[in-house]
Amino acid sequence: DIQMTQSPSTLSASVGDRVTITCRASQSISSWLAWYQQEPGKAPKLLIYKASSLESGVPSRFSGSGSGTEFTLTISNLQPDDFATYYCQQYDDYSRITFGQGTRLEIK
Amino acid sequence: VQLVESGGTLVQPGGSLRLSCAASGFPFSLYGMNWVRQAPGKGLEWLSFISTDSGTIYYADSVKGRFTISRDNARNSLYLQMSNLRADDTAVYSCARGICTSTSCPRHYFDFWGQGSLVSVSS
Repeated sequence: DIQMTQSPSTLSASVGDRVTITCRASQSISSWLAWYQQEPGKAPKLLIYKASSLESGVPSRFSGSGSGTEFTLTISNLQPDDFATYYCQQYDDYSRITFGQGTRLEIK
Repeated sequence: VQLVESGGTLVQPGGSLRLSCAASGFPFSLYGMNWVRQAPGKGLEWLSFISTDSGTIYYADSVKGRFTISRDNARNSLYLQMSNLRADDTAVYSCARGICTSTSCPRHYFDFWGQGSLVSVSS
């Protein structure tokens, strides 16, 4: 299986900050990567697909980049609703989809 | 789009359970569907995928041979039959709609998720 490793596991930031979360794949996945946001007790929400394509309705302060094995999710001008857990997901190996372990973004 | 899971409950180790996912608000028969679970306080784990016509099915190694995914397009429903349940199967189980584009299929990501149904495996 393709292993997905996110860093950091926890990130502390303040409203208005710019933060970056990294996701590394154990082998090349081209650009077949998605990012999700999950608030406590809620279903995950799709933010980014194909590494850098913003899902409809998602604020433009969210952006994704990368290809191959290294990817980043950047959130600019953090808003109170952004404090949640973020997951990356590879779908290059569509028969064995895997997620990163998650990055919890907390208020400093 | 709405996905509503049901069937979760407390079950003894070694027991069986069937989860359902009722879909509405979209043409269910046109989308591949997935099951994903999340153990308490843990991350997301993909479990299984079924194609639109049930002709292609995939499982994670952790559930292969114990879980069976199926769908009924006439009833707009997705199912997960779980058997030989273990304590480490305790989790919230969610269905998720798979989405792919003309240039990415069969590679797909998940654009809508249900809220999930809790399965607890304990004696």
